[in-house]
Amino acid sequence: QKEVEQNSGPLSVPEGAIASLNCTYSDRGSQSFFWYRQYSGKSPELIMSIYSNGDKEDGRFTAQLNKASQYVSLLIRDSQPSDSATYLCALTTTGNQFYFGTGTSLTVIP
Amino acid sequence: SQTIHQWPATLVQPVGSPLSLECTVEGTSNPNLYWYRQAAGRGLQLLFYSVGIGQISSEVPQNLSASRPQDRQFILSSKKLLLSDSGFYLCAWGQGHGYTFGSGTRLTVV
Repeated sequence: QKEVEQNSGPLSVPEGAIASLNCTYSDRGSQSFFWYRQYSGKSPELIMSIYSNGDKEDGRFTAQLNKASQYVSLLIRDSQPSDSATYLCALTTTGNQFYFGTGTSLTVIP
Repeated sequence: SQTIHQWPATLVQPVGSPLSLECTVEGTSNPNLYWYRQAAGRGLQLLFYSVGIGQISSEVPQNLSASRPQDRQFILSSKKLLLSDSGFYLCAWGQGHGYTFGSGTRLTVV
């Protein structure tokens, strides 16, 4: 079982809608969780980090963490065409190893 | 603030030729440094990481090598490139609160 699992997509949403990206993980002791955005041909950019259960909001982005269910999600409100990118979930395990998911491709349709 | 520099941005090399990619970090000391490769449409593959000068750990057997001659310098090398070495190479640094990536090198082996 992979440490981090993401649906590769592609996920398509209309402009202005809420995009929901999900990620599950296997190491129950994982402590730190991150979402990266990667535009085509560019390097990943850290957009959110979350360390405790619940929601964390930053502008149009909300990260949600549920350690009991071992999933972390990213919600993007009022999606814009500029949000079209691949979103990578990442985490740090109990062994202090850093793992990335394979990413979910998001397309926001104008 | 911390910055990470990576060069060159693009590289086209013939099979069997040598390779040297360089990465430097500014604004921090003794960073953990990483080399990742991302094949087209694939996830991030950790190649090497270093926790200090001269300390290199390899994650995947391959014809690549890494060196860390200075605290904030990380070099990825190959004596003879293979076609399968083509990909997007990313240097990153991190201290447990998420990684910061360089801009990447797009390597095409022909």
